Amino acid sequence: NAGVTQTPKFQVLKTGQSMTLQCAQDMNHEYMSWYRQDPGMGLRLIHYSVGAGITDQGEVPNGYNVSRSTTEDFPLRLLSAAPSQTSVYFCASSPAGGVSTYGYTFGSGTRLTVV
Amino acid sequence: QKEVEQDPGPLSVPEGAIVSLNCTYSNSAFQYFMWYRQYSRKGPELLMYTYSSGNKEDGRFTAQVDKSSKYISLFIRDSQPSDSATYLCAMSPLSGGSYIPTFGRGTSLIVHP
Repeated sequence: NAGVTQTPKFQVLKTGQSMTLQCAQDMNHEYMSWYRQDPGMGLRLIHYSVGAGITDQGEVPNGYNVSRSTTEDFPLRLLSAAPSQTSVYFCASSPAGGVSTYGYTFGSGTRLTVV
Repeated sequence: QKEVEQDPGPLSVPEGAIVSLNCTYSNSAFQYFMWYRQYSRKGPELLMYTYSSGNKEDGRFTAQVDKSSKYISLFIRDSQPSDSATYLCAMSPLSGGSYIPTFGRGTSLIVHP
């Protein structure tokens, strides 16, 4: 099925561990973004990319790294996990021409708990 | 003050009611206005988008923008239990380039039979 695939769906990490959240889309979308969603805080943008090789920081980038070597993949790396990074993480993609008209296609999310 | 304000609810209504969901914003440059629906434990999905002011209708859903008041609304007619979800508004000044939309916090809607 076409769409945005996120893996894993659930993850428990210990403080200080690192890990990579995977995101892949098969719609040839140029724009990809990572959000975290916390109760009462809504969606907050972590990093985004407007094309392969181009990334930029969002509202809450600290503690996270991204790279975009292909159009399809946009992994999010947690460098040294902290309890404050416990959240639900969503990857989203959109065709070129703008997120505001075509809208995002979101993945189903990764629920991360840091203990 | 956040750029986009949205009452988190929950908003509880009986089946068949007309629902009004609202967002206010402070950035007068916003021109694109979107509504997303998010079911529990799922990612958001785009419901509708509107450019500039006016109304847009899609089935039981109507999106309304009042730029003079910096106020947008989503109306749901004949609400159904399947409409129970969180509704997020989002807005952006432009569509192209790196104009990532700003999201509201979402309003939780419960439609009870």
